[in-house]
Amino acid sequence: DVKVTQSSRYLVKRTGEKVFLECVQDMDHENMFWYRQDPGLGLRLIYFSYDVKMKEKGDIPEGYSVSREKKERFSLILESASTSQTSMYLCASSLDRDSYGYTFGSGTRLTVV
Amino acid sequence: AQRVTQPEKLLSVFKGAPVELKCNYSYSGSPELFWYVQYSRQRLQLLLRHISRESIKGFTADLNKGETSFHLKKPFAQEEDSAMYYCALHSNYQLIWGAGTKLIIKP
Repeated sequence: DVKVTQSSRYLVKRTGEKVFLECVQDMDHENMFWYRQDPGLGLRLIYFSYDVKMKEKGDIPEGYSVSREKKERFSLILESASTSQTSMYLCASSLDRDSYGYTFGSGTRLTVV
Repeated sequence: AQRVTQPEKLLSVFKGAPVELKCNYSYSGSPELFWYVQYSRQRLQLLLRHISRESIKGFTADLNKGETSFHLKKPFAQEEDSAMYYCALHSNYQLIWGAGTKLIIKP
């Protein structure tokens, strides 16, 4: 089974803190994605990556950055956390550009206080 | 612009009743459409895709290009079908997501 592992299930951070969300996949997938999931808004793409050291902005990249130094790991960084970034964050991976079968992590519920 | 619309945020039906979760899309070209499901406390997972024309857990979805719809249907709802359902469109190597419909099956 392909596994996508997100380092934390629940996280509470203070406003202004730098926050790192980690995601690791173990099946050599090329593509990795970060979404935030909010009620009534569905999944919104923050950033994605098609290859190591490659990143592209999604629909809502403001306030976020990413890092992909190794193929299996895709990190989401909140440079200065704000209360508006309180959300569920989902990481996903897929085999390659033509693959639509995404494998999702279990999510990180981030609360910024 | 490509878009996926799920007009119902919440759908509540009784066990044994038919279920239809609506999905409409906007796309120029031949669409590739999918349904994903997220059960309580579980990961989001692929339910079915229109290309395969398969039935998963009793659910089917037919692509209607004339109405630009891809509604998810099940003739007899079961309590374990309660979940969040997302319709998605594959475009430019990404998935474009609808806002989701929460399905509640009442006993």
